[in-house]
Amino acid sequence: AQKVTQAQTEISVVEKEDVTLDCVYETRDTTYYLFWYKQPPSGELVFLIRRNSFDEQNEISGRYSWNFQKSTSSFNFTITASQVVDSAVYFCALRINQAGTALIFGKGTTLSVSS
Amino acid sequence: KAGVTQTPRYLIKTRGQQVTLSCSPISGHRSVSWYQQTPGQGLQFLFEYFSETQRNKGNFPGRFSGRQFSNSRSEMNVSTLELGDSALYLCASSLRDRPEKLFFGSGTQLSVL
Repeated sequence: AQKVTQAQTEISVVEKEDVTLDCVYETRDTTYYLFWYKQPPSGELVFLIRRNSFDEQNEISGRYSWNFQKSTSSFNFTITASQVVDSAVYFCALRINQAGTALIFGKGTTLSVSS
Repeated sequence: KAGVTQTPRYLIKTRGQQVTLSCSPISGHRSVSWYQQTPGQGLQFLFEYFSETQRNKGNFPGRFSGRQFSNSRSEMNVSTLELGDSALYLCASSLRDRPEKLFFGSGTQLSVL
């Protein structure tokens, strides 16, 4: 069975702090895709990053970076120098190769950034 | 380019009624999927449509159904509403060749009284 676990329910930081959101996934499939989405108060989910199971390169994009560790089934997301506008709920999601666009989401981590 | 549009934004129904939610995908997107979001269960996949055909279905009872029209617009219907159907229903669209990048609408907040 497929599963995504985000152990952190809520995180509060002060502006300019770095923050890492944890994600652990479970799947027996060898080909899968991992995602991070952001949900601001307006409700729509905003795509942030996708990672293939066979591509273990980690990336940095502006203030965002991702750490994919297949050995520990983790796909963590870091925001450097957080800003108030980063306050949102962040979801980690998993898609297996045969499932079309069906995503399995974690329960989400609510990030609050105060000034 | 307009984003994914969902109507209505809010809806209040009573138990036993039925409801229809509408979703207009981004122009050129042919795949539409639906998700239910509740505080208890989180985000759960309902179904996915491509070219008017249901490609995939989540683990929901038959009271939940959907369809897609030739212009890619989609509707979902919930019959015999239950209190537990109260949720934010999110629609997402994607290009056929990039099914993994989903663009979500702002959702329809359904309250069942």
